[in-house]
Parts: sequence; C-alpha cells; structure tokens
Amino acid sequence: DSGVTQTPKHLITATGQRVTLRCSPRSGDLSVYWYQQSLDQGLQFLIQYYNGEERAKGNILERFSAQQFPDLHSELNLSSLELGDSALYFCASSGQGHYGYTFGSGTRLTVV
Amino acid sequence: AQTVTQSQPEMSVQEAETVTLSCTYDTSESNYYLFWYKQPPSRQMILVIRQEAYKQQNATENRFSVNFQKAAKSFSLKISDSQLGDTAMYFCAFTQGAQKLVFGQGTRLTINP
Repeated sequence: DSGVTQTPKHLITATGQRVTLRCSPRSGDLSVYWYQQSLDQGLQFLIQYYNGEERAKGNILERFSAQQFPDLHSELNLSSLELGDSALYFCASSGQGHYGYTFGSGTRLTVV
Repeated sequence: AQTVTQSQPEMSVQEAETVTLSCTYDTSESNYYLFWYKQPPSRQMILVIRQEAYKQQNATENRFSVNFQKAAKSFSLKISDSQLGDTAMYFCAFTQGAQKLVFGQGTRLTINP
C-alpha cells in the first residue's frame, strides 16, 4: 500500500457518459497530480492541485475537469467519453521536499 | 521545454547480468530532481531511485545505481545482478521544484531465466 488511494480500480462505461475518479493522497501530502497512461505509452500529465488550488495544467481536454477538496482528496471528472479516453489514470501525491512522488494503483477506464 | 528521452524502447538480458538503461533530459535550470520509476505488469508505479542535481555523488539503492552526468544531461540507471522480478517498464522522470514530473517514454526491460 503506497498510501495513495484511488477508486475505483476498474471502470467500464459507454461512449458519451461521464465518470468521476477519486484520489486520496498520502497523509500530509498537499499536492495531487493526475496522469493519463494510454496503452504502452508514457505518462501524460493532466493537472496538479496544491492545497485546494489548481497549480498547473498539462494536456487536459476541456471535457475533463478536476478539483481538490478541503480534506485534500481530489476528483477527476471525465465527460462525453470517447473510445480514445480508455486508459490508466494515475493519481500521485507529494509533500515537502523532493523524495519522490507516490503513486496510487491507478484507475483503469475502458470506454466501449 | 522540459523533455526526457529514453532511447532504448526495449532491452533484454539474462538473469544475474548487469544492465544499463539510458536517459537524457533537457532543462535550463541548475537545480532539479531526477527519478527512475519501475512499472511491473501490475502497472503500479514504484520509485526506484532519486537524484538531486546539486549532489555530485551518484545515488545508490541496493542493486540499483545511477550515473549522473550533469553537463551532459544524462541520467542512466544500472541494475546489477538482475533478477526476474526486475522485469518491468522503467521510466526516467524529471522535476523542478514542486512541479509536475515529466516522464520519458519508458524502456521495457525483460530479464530472462
């Protein structure tokens, strides 16, 4: 257990639908990062939150949005889903210092 | 722009051999952090080793060590006495400060019995 909790682990949904992925960071970590990993690809940065505020944005589609709540958990909302959105979505958290980013086990999203 | 390049898409070695994975990066900053992550078939991202750019000494974690060449912007990972459990995708990653990790495209390493 890395300390970063992602739910659900697997999600199968139809095109056009909307889903919400949830992430609870490691205790004490204020930063949350979302990454997308398509099949056999590297990890693409989507968005970062720090203590409730958006800190940085990557190649995140307009159909995707995220937020970080006062208890520091974060949600990634994906809407109007397309087949190409099928991927593994990772959440990572980090604290003070740079001892590495701790990743959750990911949510595997399959759009059919 | 910050970029990380892993020039070896796939590598394969025999168990107990030593293998080196290559990574180069591009940045104009002087202080930054470099990481190697391992992604086994379970798809979990596991931190293998980290290096702070201002430290000249190469990081070592048991069988894993790095060769950090700051001037050349090179950060290779050496795995000694490779084991079957080392079979995984290996990602080199880079960050400056409390910012996002930028990943390379990965090297698929297979350890053969």
